[in-house]
Amino acid sequence: DQQVKQNSPSLSVQEGRISILNCDYTNSMFDYFLWYKKYPAEGPTFLISISSIKDKNEDGRFTVFLNKSAKHLSLHIVPSQPGDSAVYFCAASARGGSEKLVFGKGTKLTVNP
Amino acid sequence: DADVTQTPRNRITKTGKRIMLECSQTKGHDRMYWYRQDPGLGLQLIYYSFDVKDINKGEISDGYSVSRQAQAKFSLSLESAIPNQTALYFCATSDGDISYNEQFFGPGTRLTVL
Repeated sequence: DQQVKQNSPSLSVQEGRISILNCDYTNSMFDYFLWYKKYPAEGPTFLISISSIKDKNEDGRFTVFLNKSAKHLSLHIVPSQPGDSAVYFCAASARGGSEKLVFGKGTKLTVNP
Repeated sequence: DADVTQTPRNRITKTGKRIMLECSQTKGHDRMYWYRQDPGLGLQLIYYSFDVKDINKGEISDGYSVSRQAQAKFSLSLESAIPNQTALYFCATSDGDISYNEQFFGPGTRLTVL
């Protein structure tokens, strides 16, 4: 049973446009959500997070939105740059982030120049 | 210097061989994790440890064992490697004293079992 789902394996956008990556979860105990970015031959690196007490968190070009009623979160990248091309993983945990992370399968983002 | 290091970075071995992957961290974190990544399957948790005397199974622990030799070291062993254990393996750490904190990943070990 997949508790964190990223239903789009890939996404392609033009440089300068918005990239929107989506993530759904099923476990209502999740209260902390993270996005990781992964380049080939490297480990995942933390990008941005949000706790369930918020519905939006921004960091520069990256914004994460959380819709608790729909059990859905999204990552917006504006404007998209070719260097953003990577695999993005959504992850979730419970108990204030102290529980282990559950990862989605990832979405490969390609930003075309 | 990298905060989380993994050795070896690449390894090719044969079916039935015993192999150990090692992870070291200089972040001072108490929590350490081993993940496996297969194409299209994301990251799956193999084992995790919240402190030196604590070892827990993850989603896919069968065929693997771990040892937490010290706060900074967490090793993963395949007692008798099989081809379907060919994958990318990642070690990660986190600070258990902080709520709402992220995990920090090592660069990964690419393991091929022939």
